[in-house]
Amino acid sequence: EAQVTQNPRYLITVTGKKLTVTCSQNMNHEYMSWYRQDPGLGLRQIYYSMNVEVTDKGDVPEGYKVSRKEKRNFPLILESPSPNQTSLYFCASSLRSGDNSPLHFGNGTRLTVT
Amino acid sequence: AQTVTQSQPEMSVQEAETVTLSCTYDTSENNYYLFWYKQPPSRQMILVIRQEAYKQQNATENRFSVNFQKAAKSFSLKISDSQLGDTAMYFCAFMSGGSNYKLTFGKGTLLTVNP
Repeated sequence: EAQVTQNPRYLITVTGKKLTVTCSQNMNHEYMSWYRQDPGLGLRQIYYSMNVEVTDKGDVPEGYKVSRKEKRNFPLILESPSPNQTSLYFCASSLRSGDNSPLHFGNGTRLTVT
Repeated sequence: AQTVTQSQPEMSVQEAETVTLSCTYDTSENNYYLFWYKQPPSRQMILVIRQEAYKQQNATENRFSVNFQKAAKSFSLKISDSQLGDTAMYFCAFMSGGSNYKLTFGKGTLLTVNP
């Protein structure tokens, strides 16, 4: 089944403890991206990747890192999480960027930082 | 920068009736794409419908259709014969043509379908 898989679905952590949210897609998609969703703000792009080893900042990159060493994986890294990073996170992928190829979303990761 | 505005934070409709969700956007570009996404309580993001700006014909997908007014920069979603399963948060989104595929989302409209 074609899908974008995020893990974990729920995560509770404490301020300053490094964490990684994994994202994997099995559709051979070139393009991958991370969004965060906050009440009253909709979804905002954190980082994106056009292809392997090519990543760039979105609208709200502060406090996050990403890597794209393999085409299928695009982990989101929080080196020192803070409470303002409590949010719902979505990974998404598309066959390519620049056209209207459908964007496939993962099921989301609910992160709470205390 | 592009902005997307959904002016209705919440709406409700009776089952089997028709409802229209509003969306306006601001851009100086001529080539772009517009989308409506549905997020049910399961929080999965589901693409409902999309529209290419260069197409004058309004997109339709079964009970879902849009009213795309390019000059007015308006992109409303009409849901006909509403069903209980349509209860969800609906997001309008904009994407610049030839861009990094960044979707700019509105803040969402929570639609409740009542039996």
